[in-house]
Amino acid sequence: QVQLVESGGGVVQPGRSLRLSCVASGFTFSRSTMHWLRQAPGKGLEWVAILWYDGSNRLYADSVKGRFAISRDNSKNTLYLQMNSLRAEDTAVYYCAREGLNYGDYDYWGQGTLVTVSS
Amino acid sequence: DIVMTQSPLSLPVTPGEPASISCRSSQSLLHRNGYNYLAWFLQKPGQSPQLLIYLASNRASGVPERFSGSGSGTDFTLKISTVEAEDVGVYYCMQALQTPPTFGQGTKLEIK
Repeated sequence: QVQLVESGGGVVQPGRSLRLSCVASGFTFSRSTMHWLRQAPGKGLEWVAILWYDGSNRLYADSVKGRFAISRDNSKNTLYLQMNSLRAEDTAVYYCAREGLNYGDYDYWGQGTLVTVSS
Repeated sequence: DIVMTQSPLSLPVTPGEPASISCRSSQSLLHRNGYNYLAWFLQKPGQSPQLLIYLASNRASGVPERFSGSGSGTDFTLKISTVEAEDVGVYYCMQALQTPPTFGQGTKLEIK
């Protein structure tokens, strides 16, 4: 069955870096466009970044542009999110999600990994 | 960015009764291909979001028939024909027409 498993979250000081991973299984990862989204404690959902299935294009939310980088290793079925210059407002549960056959069709989500930015 | 506005934000429902959630977008979500790029998600307590509806009216795989989506342009509705206890959680609409994808504030459905 399809599984997305995030890891790499934790407590980090403001200004420091963290790399999240999302390991995919149960589907052809190399043919799937992938997203990162996040949810601050007690808040709603916020889209963070997208990476096309072949790595040809990537886009970011304005709130993370220039600080975060999305990447993938199709040989390892893994999606990454490199987060630099972290701020308190980046504190959230981070989810990876697969986009299905249609725009907005985020048909599978991981369980999420919590990132806490605090001194 | 496209602004998504949901109502109501809180929805107490008696089991067996119907429920309806409205979602409005600040711009039309109708693509020139004729599809509305609007999705609905449910986040049950303590869980990740799950896809319910995509392209405004298409039920995702495994979603019960009691869930239906409708609407076009800027006005959309998610309907639950008969609410069950397992339907509690926060419902979000999301537009996928433009980057960045944006979500409504969420509607919390609770059982009376």
